[in-house]
This record gives sequence, structure tokens and C-alpha cells, in this order.
Amino acid sequence: KAGVTQTPRYLIKTRGQQVTLSCSPISGHRSVSWYQQTPGQGLQFLFEYFSETQRNKGNFPGRFSGRQFSNSRSEMNVSTLELGDSALYLCASSNLAGVTDTQYFGPGTRLTVL
Amino acid sequence: KQEVTQIPAALSVPEGENLVLNCSFTDSAIYNLQWFRQDPGKGLTSLLLIQSSQREQTSGRLNASLDKSSGRSTLYIAASQPGDSATYLCAVIGGGGSTLGRLYFGRGTQLTVWP
Repeated sequence: KAGVTQTPRYLIKTRGQQVTLSCSPISGHRSVSWYQQTPGQGLQFLFEYFSETQRNKGNFPGRFSGRQFSNSRSEMNVSTLELGDSALYLCASSNLAGVTDTQYFGPGTRLTVL
Repeated sequence: KQEVTQIPAALSVPEGENLVLNCSFTDSAIYNLQWFRQDPGKGLTSLLLIQSSQREQTSGRLNASLDKSSGRSTLYIAASQPGDSATYLCAVIGGGGSTLGRLYFGRGTQLTVWP
């Protein structure tokens, strides 16, 4: 079974631009979560989707948004990029409702904002 | 608010040693606890998942325990090898309300095993 895939793997953007990241979960998984990892803050929860519905959202500004499609693939969008948005963005998928099941992470997208 | 702490922050040991990594969390209302490994610049690899009703889980040379009432978990690595060098992250999944389904991570223990 293929693992969680994320595209692109690396991105370089300038301040003020917007970016869209993609995550394809493991086949059959319906829950997708997104996390931001920075050296200063560690891993922080962005949001979680289950069956196209956002069930939970972390404490990030409205510039960060996401969605999930009927095939469980998910995208996250960051508008008006700031230097502080430079980070490794990780998505995770899980099989059941995402509450008690193992979460599997993708390789991440490394975003650099200049 | 759930806070997860991992001790030590870094550990450097010779090959063959048995290791204990510690994780503590402030809110015992969790669904489960998961240990991950992260290699530099890479994603997270799941090592072990312990349900809140369980006391421990084992996989190969790894053994993780959970004491939910005291808010503690330990990851035991037997007979360490250079290939075990990585950052080990502990995460708890919230048990309800706004915490439901969210992973709360510690800052990790950076492990170096030298030959």
C-alpha cells in the first residue's frame, strides 16, 4: 500500500504570495490532518478533515485554510505569505475516525518564504 | 491546555546501550499516545501506538509504557544501534471537545548512537 504523499516537496515563495500544498492519504483513509513544524515552535496542529468536513482547527490565522475532496485528498492554502510561514508542512492520515487510530505522516513540504 | 514535555532533549550513547526516553503530559484525558521517529528533514515514522486503556506496547527492540493517571510514558530502546539515531517524538491525542483528534507533540529527544 502506498504511503501518504505530499506535493510539492519543496517550495520557494516571496512575501505576499499565496501557496497551495497537496496531500494524498493512504488508500481507504478518510481523515487527514495538517501540521506545521518549525524549529522555534515545534509541531503545531493546523486542521483536520474527515469526509470533506473540517472537524477541528488549530490556533492559526485565517490566512491558513484547507479543504478535503470526495476522494479524501486534501489541500491547504496559505495566502499573503509572511517570512514566519517558512516551515515544514506535514500531513497525516488515519483509517477510522482519526481519534484512536494510528496516524501516518507524509514526507512533508518544505516551504521557504523570502 | 495540553502540554507535552520530553526529557532529555538530547542523548548521545555508544552502540549497544539500553535507553529510556521520557514523555509527560499535563491533561490525562487522552485517547491514545503515539511515539514517532523523525530523521533530519524527513517526515514522521510511527513507532508505537498505545491506547489509553493499555499499559504498554512492544515492537521489536522498542517497548513503550503508559501511565495515564500520572501523565507519563516511557520509550525503552534495547541494544541501541547507530541506525537508531534520530529525533524521537511523543504525541498524545486529545480526548474530547476542541482537543478531539488533535495530536499534541513534545519537542522531541534527539538521539545519537555512535559505533
